[in-house]
Amino acid sequence: KQEVTQIPAALSVPEGENLVLNCSFTDSAIYNLQWFRQDPGKGLTSLLLIQSSQREQTSGRLNASLDKSSGRSTLYIAASQPGDSATYLCAVPGTNSKLTFGKGITLSVRP
Amino acid sequence: DVKVTQSSRYLVKRTGEKVFLECVQDMDHENMFWYRQDPGLGLRLIYFSYDVKMKEKGDIPEGYSVSREKKERFSLILESASTNQTSMYLCASSLFWTGGVGSNQPQHFGDGTRLSIL
Repeated sequence: KQEVTQIPAALSVPEGENLVLNCSFTDSAIYNLQWFRQDPGKGLTSLLLIQSSQREQTSGRLNASLDKSSGRSTLYIAASQPGDSATYLCAVPGTNSKLTFGKGITLSVRP
Repeated sequence: DVKVTQSSRYLVKRTGEKVFLECVQDMDHENMFWYRQDPGLGLRLIYFSYDVKMKEKGDIPEGYSVSREKKERFSLILESASTNQTSMYLCASSLFWTGGVGSNQPQHFGDGTRLSIL
């Protein structure tokens, strides 16, 4: 059974720092990996979907990488801003597009 | 942009009531999903549907049922609400997975319904 782990559960950084959020998964036979952002009390917003054939995917200040062989993905946030404060979740698909989620990393960017 | 709309942002019901949570998507997606999210437990899949009138159980289907009479609408039903069903409920949709590397599609989520059962 696929397990997705995100450590640490919470992170606090000063504004302007470049930071890396980690995601690990136990079954490397995945088709892609998706990163989401969740603001308090809200639903999930899809940030990036990186296919298994890709090594990296970029959107603005966000860059996601995927290393299937080691069961890891990272989300890199450049020049962090207070508006980046949110919970970041990663998820991998199984059969019938069902997703297995990590429990998320709650990021706080201090002004 | 894909829009997934959940009918209520907040809902308060009483123990034993039959509760309906509605979800509508506007992008002709085949797949629709219902999750619940609880602190410390993360997101857990309740039910999903890959076509009209088709449904499959997720990881925690007990106490829930679903209905999909039209492609754009997926309803979650709490047959007899209990306090342990107090949670945040999230609906999602995606295009059908055609299989093969790179063919899976992202899931798009609604804003969630925070349900309290008293």
